[in-house]
Amino acid sequence: GENVEQHPSTLSVQEGDSAVIKCTYSDSASNYFPWYKQELGKRPQLIIDIRSNVGEKKDQRIAVTLNKTAKHFSLHITETQPEDSAVYFCAASMNSGGYQKVTFGTGTKLQVIP
Amino acid sequence: DAGVIQSPRHEVTEMGQEVTLRCKPISGHDYLFWYRQTMMRGLELLIYFNNNVPIDDSGMPEDRFSAKMPNASFSTLKIQPSEPRDSAVYFCASSTTGSSEQYFGPGTRLTVT
Repeated sequence: GENVEQHPSTLSVQEGDSAVIKCTYSDSASNYFPWYKQELGKRPQLIIDIRSNVGEKKDQRIAVTLNKTAKHFSLHITETQPEDSAVYFCAASMNSGGYQKVTFGTGTKLQVIP
Repeated sequence: DAGVIQSPRHEVTEMGQEVTLRCKPISGHDYLFWYRQTMMRGLELLIYFNNNVPIDDSGMPEDRFSAKMPNASFSTLKIQPSEPRDSAVYFCASSTTGSSEQYFGPGTRLTVT
């Protein structure tokens, strides 16, 4: 089955700096890569996603990149703000037996220091 | 739509007791997922359903755990008997075919003493 590894597990940055979270996946059949943000005590929510036919996608201060050959993808947050502090999960999704199966990474706890 | 609804939000029970967690997916969603979240293991997929049929239950830790989806608007996750190591936050999520985005419920925080 699919295996998703995520690094780092914790990340502290100064407000205004950039943050980068990296994930690797094992199964080349994965074709959809969402990122979820989970604020303390709340539910995970989708913040951005990328499909395998695209190399990069940007939405204001966040961007995702995908390298299919190397099987890795990354989340980039620029000009970080205290409200970016949360746990971020990457995921890889594939069609398995006609069903869409999603495997999550272990999460990165991002702390933005004011 | 109110989003994915889970109940109870908090559950405290004693070891050996039966625990039932409930989930109502977003109307029209044909996928339903049950996850367990702990500090040690992160977010683990326990089981998921498509059109009320269990598709993959390989994440269910052991026979003490069971899940059902009797209709498109309701699912349960049952733990019998419960153990302290089952203490975690249990999330239910739903999605639609072709969308892939999962909508999570608020979670049930389970504490087994």
